[in-house]
Amino acid sequence: GQQLNQSPQSMFIQEGEDVSMNCTSSSIFNTWLWYKQDPGEGPVLLIALYKAGELTSNGRLTAQFGITRKDSFLNISASIPSDVGIYFCAGSNDYKLSFGAGTTVTVRA
Amino acid sequence: EAQVTQNPRYLITVTGKKLTVTCSQNMNHEYMSWYRQDPGLGLRQIYYSMNVEVTDKGDVPEGYKVSRKEKRNFPLILESPSPNQTSLYFCASSSYATGYEQYFGPGTRLTVT
Repeated sequence: GQQLNQSPQSMFIQEGEDVSMNCTSSSIFNTWLWYKQDPGEGPVLLIALYKAGELTSNGRLTAQFGITRKDSFLNISASIPSDVGIYFCAGSNDYKLSFGAGTTVTVRA
Repeated sequence: EAQVTQNPRYLITVTGKKLTVTCSQNMNHEYMSWYRQDPGLGLRQIYYSMNVEVTDKGDVPEGYKVSRKEKRNFPLILESPSPNQTSLYFCASSSYATGYEQYFGPGTRLTVT
């Protein structure tokens, strides 16, 4: 499958901070998606992007589909404790998804 | 409630003992898929199905079988499990109408000793 490079691998957040993560690929995708996984649960879809250059928001989350179609980023504004979890990017050209390795978000003590 | 269900949620077995993990969705989705999740590797696709009786290999199909005899069910079969199949498994489904937005089940944690 196609390799997606997701960074950072992990991050610590303090409540109220804005955080961002990104995903890059050597291949072009027609669709980018961002998922969040809480401990002991399956990934839940946060945002889906279908068009190069598209900027989409879902509450405090904002994601963009890179103009080259090879990258995407996710921003979380004004983070809160329940934002902790693992965030995955995924790219697709058909029904087959290729996932990044995930960004683990933890609250800074 | 729209959902994807998997059973069992946890399974410990021994090498070579055939097992089946069931997956069912109640959303009338055409597309279903199985993934495995391993630390540092994200989710990797094992098999997928575009519709009843239509299945195809994903990125890591070796050691697994699937079948799609009914639209709502997509079981994952390990004929002869080995320790390297110890992993967290997820089933997912989506509709052609909603494009590629896949909905995931709660996961099955499998340990093969």
